[in-house]
Amino acid sequence: DTAVSQTPKYLVTQMGNDKSIKCEQNLGHDTMYWYKQDSKKFLKIMFSYNNKELIINETVPNRFSPKSPDKAHLNLHINSLELGDSAVYFCASSQEASGGYSVLTQYFGPGTRLTVL
Amino acid sequence: AQKVTQAQTEISVVEKEDVTLDCVYETRDTTYYLFWYKQPPSGELVFLIRRNSFDEQNEISGRYSWNFQKSTSSFNFTITASQVVDSAVYFCALLNDYKLSFGAGTTVTVRA
Repeated sequence: DTAVSQTPKYLVTQMGNDKSIKCEQNLGHDTMYWYKQDSKKFLKIMFSYNNKELIINETVPNRFSPKSPDKAHLNLHINSLELGDSAVYFCASSQEASGGYSVLTQYFGPGTRLTVL
Repeated sequence: AQKVTQAQTEISVVEKEDVTLDCVYETRDTTYYLFWYKQPPSGELVFLIRRNSFDEQNEISGRYSWNFQKSTSSFNFTITASQVVDSAVYFCALLNDYKLSFGAGTTVTVRA
């Protein structure tokens, strides 16, 4: 049983194209995230949605647009792909702690390796 | 601002040796959570442990143990009697207000 799944696992595309990465979680969590891992393995948060509302939007080019159709899905659409977008993109999810003041452990999907040629 | 420092970039050991990974964090918050994740060569991120700022009790899980010391803002991780399967990149992370701030990671190579 896959808890957090992402498709595709690998994505190779040309500069200038538009592409999407899909993420689904079956953990019943209410918060989902996108992280980017660069070639030096550094991980940085991009976006977060809580109950379908955007709550974190780090300094990310507006070519990146997340979409959350429901609590279990968070997709990432990227327009006009550039060479520098090549990275591994991880989706994650977590459950808000009772009282709503914190979130608990973030569980990650397997990652999508995006290569822009 | 939140910051996590993993000063060791790479560690190489021979099987059965113990290895300790250092993690030092900075935060102005009184409530926060610390994590360790493992990223094996297959690439996924695997959750290992979560610690909250009010619980300084050390924890042991099999060959893994964690030492949390608020006085030195450190959350170190020890693998006892390392095995080849422990070869991975290990990340320390600090959570506050939904955001996980990761350290740069320590690559552990265990040689047979």
